[in-house]
Amino acid sequence: EVQLLESGGGLVQPGGSLRLSCAASGFTFSSYAMTWVRQAPGKGLEWVSTLNNDGGSTYYADSVKGRFTISRDNSKNTLYLQMNSLRADDTALYYCAKAGGGWSYSDYWGQGTLVTVSS
Amino acid sequence: QSALTQPASVSGSPGQSITISCTGTSSDVGGYNYVSWYQQHPGKAPKLMIYEVSNRPSGVSHRFSGSKSGNTASLTISGLQAEDEADYYCSSYTRRKTLVFGGGTKLTVL
Repeated sequence: EVQLLESGGGLVQPGGSLRLSCAASGFTFSSYAMTWVRQAPGKGLEWVSTLNNDGGSTYYADSVKGRFTISRDNSKNTLYLQMNSLRADDTALYYCAKAGGGWSYSDYWGQGTLVTVSS
Repeated sequence: QSALTQPASVSGSPGQSITISCTGTSSDVGGYNYVSWYQQHPGKAPKLMIYEVSNRPSGVSHRFSGSKSGNTASLTISGLQAEDEADYYCSSYTRRKTLVFGGGTKLTVL
């Protein structure tokens, strides 16, 4: 059974940093791209970033480019999202998702970790 | 990257069929067969319903189908059931090697 467990969310001040983690199990982690998607309270889904299976290719939304860094440790079956220079509009539930055959869709999602940026 | 355009809400009675549209541009929906659809119940994580325009993942009901014409993709749900009441989001790969979601559509089963 595929399981994705996000952690690392919390309350942070504007301008601060946070690192999210996503522990994966139930599939061959190193064979699949992984994606972060966020959802602000009461709002829709927003794609944040995708990383290919070996970590060699990264893709970012314009809204986070230069501030967020996606990475993975295939030996630990874990995906990360380093978030710097956080702003109030980064406040959201952050989902980790496993990509399907390509990376244009996500076939399994975690339950999310909440990031709140506020002073 | 602008969000794909979806109707804010649609509704239908049990047993009826409804269609949710998702309009983009030739740089996303119209340019690639990489449109997917997600269902999200309140307080839950999204669930993949359709991928690559019209493919259904294992375990998803045959009542859900997807299609595309030009820059507009569509999700059709036939034989509406109460459990289908949820938010639905479309997503597309883009020419800029990013993904973009639609604004979401709230489906109400009357």
